[in-house]
Amino acid sequence: DVKVTQSSRYLVKRTGEKVFLECVQDMDHENMFWYRQDPGLGLRLIYFSYDVKMKEKGDIPEGYSVSREKKERFSLILESASTNQTSMYLCASSSDRIGNQPQHFGDGTRLSIL
Amino acid sequence: AQSVTQLDSQVPVFEEAPVELRCNYSSSVSVYLFWYVQYPNQGLQLLLKYLSGSTLVKGINGFEAEFNKSQTSFHLRKPSVHISDTAEYFCAVSELQGAQKLVFGQGTRLTINP
Repeated sequence: DVKVTQSSRYLVKRTGEKVFLECVQDMDHENMFWYRQDPGLGLRLIYFSYDVKMKEKGDIPEGYSVSREKKERFSLILESASTNQTSMYLCASSSDRIGNQPQHFGDGTRLSIL
Repeated sequence: AQSVTQLDSQVPVFEEAPVELRCNYSSSVSVYLFWYVQYPNQGLQLLLKYLSGSTLVKGINGFEAEFNKSQTSFHLRKPSVHISDTAEYFCAVSELQGAQKLVFGQGTRLTINP
């Protein structure tokens, strides 16, 4: 079974801090994704990556950046955290660039910015 | 660009009753369609997917969905629900061509009452 592991289940940070959310997958997947989940809005794509050292903006990239130095690891960075970034963050991976492959999700990180 | 609308934000049903969760999508090109389930405090897991072929798709836990191209719908059904089906359900689409990005609906919270 594919396992996608997010480093923290719960995280509390202060406004203005630089925040790192880490995600690791163990199935040698090419594609990795970061979403945020908010009530009534479903999941919205922040950034994704098809390969090491490459990244593409999703639908809501403002205030975020990402890093993919190794194939199995995809990090989401909040450059200067703000209260409107309080949310659930979900990482996912998939095996192919063709759209028919399902994405496999981690359990999420619930981030609170005070 | 594609979009997904889940017509009901909450659906309460009694145990052993049938249920239908509605999903409509909009896209200018052909799409793949997915239903994911999220149990409390967990990430998303795949219930079923439609790629091509038969319009009736069977998934895990007794769920099935029917693709209707003319109505651009992909409704999820189960003939008899259990308490353990209490969860949030997400419909998602991805385009056949181009980036493997999923676009999610807003989610439907299914609550099973004894």
